[in-house]
Amino acid sequence: QVQLVQSGAEVKKPGASVKVSCKVSGYTLTELSMHWVRQAPGKGLEWMGGFDPEDGETIYAQKFQGRVTMTEDTSTDTAYMELSSLRSEDTAVYYCATGVSLGAYFDYWGQGTLVTVSS
Amino acid sequence: QSALTQPASVSGSPGQSITISCTGTSSDVGSYNLVSWYQQHPGKAPKLMIYEGSKRPSGVSNRFSGSKSGNTASLTISGLQAEDEADYYCCSYAGSSTLVFGTGTKVTVL
Repeated sequence: QVQLVQSGAEVKKPGASVKVSCKVSGYTLTELSMHWVRQAPGKGLEWMGGFDPEDGETIYAQKFQGRVTMTEDTSTDTAYMELSSLRSEDTAVYYCATGVSLGAYFDYWGQGTLVTVSS
Repeated sequence: QSALTQPASVSGSPGQSITISCTGTSSDVGSYNLVSWYQQHPGKAPKLMIYEGSKRPSGVSNRFSGSKSGNTASLTISGLQAEDEADYYCCSYAGSSTLVFGTGTKVTVL
């Protein structure tokens, strides 16, 4: 059983950066393919990017390229998502999500981290 | 990459069956049998209900089933129950290691 525990809510000013963490337990990070999905208030789910185990690379959705960086610390089994140049439209709940089968679906989700961008 | 198109809302009475459509293109839904469906209750993280088009994870009721025809995938909920009231999202592999979600459908049990 995989458990994903995310860092707490953040409030940031426009132009700043935010870094959200996702601690894995039950499996090691190297056994998983971690992805990040966000959901603006009252809106739908949006895939931001994730690790491609076949290529060994992290793939980002075109919308976020240049502004998002997803990293992993395998020594602590913690994944990170950093989003820069924040604007009000980035206010959302950010989820880490993964699956043990490395398929194109997510069995396990973190509890979500609310990031609020406000001046 | 544009979001897959879902109806904004679908409703049904307890015991009835409902179907939620998820329309994409030949670049995503139409090209791969890699559509998944998620259920999301208010304030909660999404839950996987169907993967690879029609497979159910362990623990998911067999009242949920998935299918695909051309560029449109579908989720059918049979024997609708009050607990099925939630938002539902489809998600498809879109090539080049990318994924795309649907616009979401609110299911109401009358």
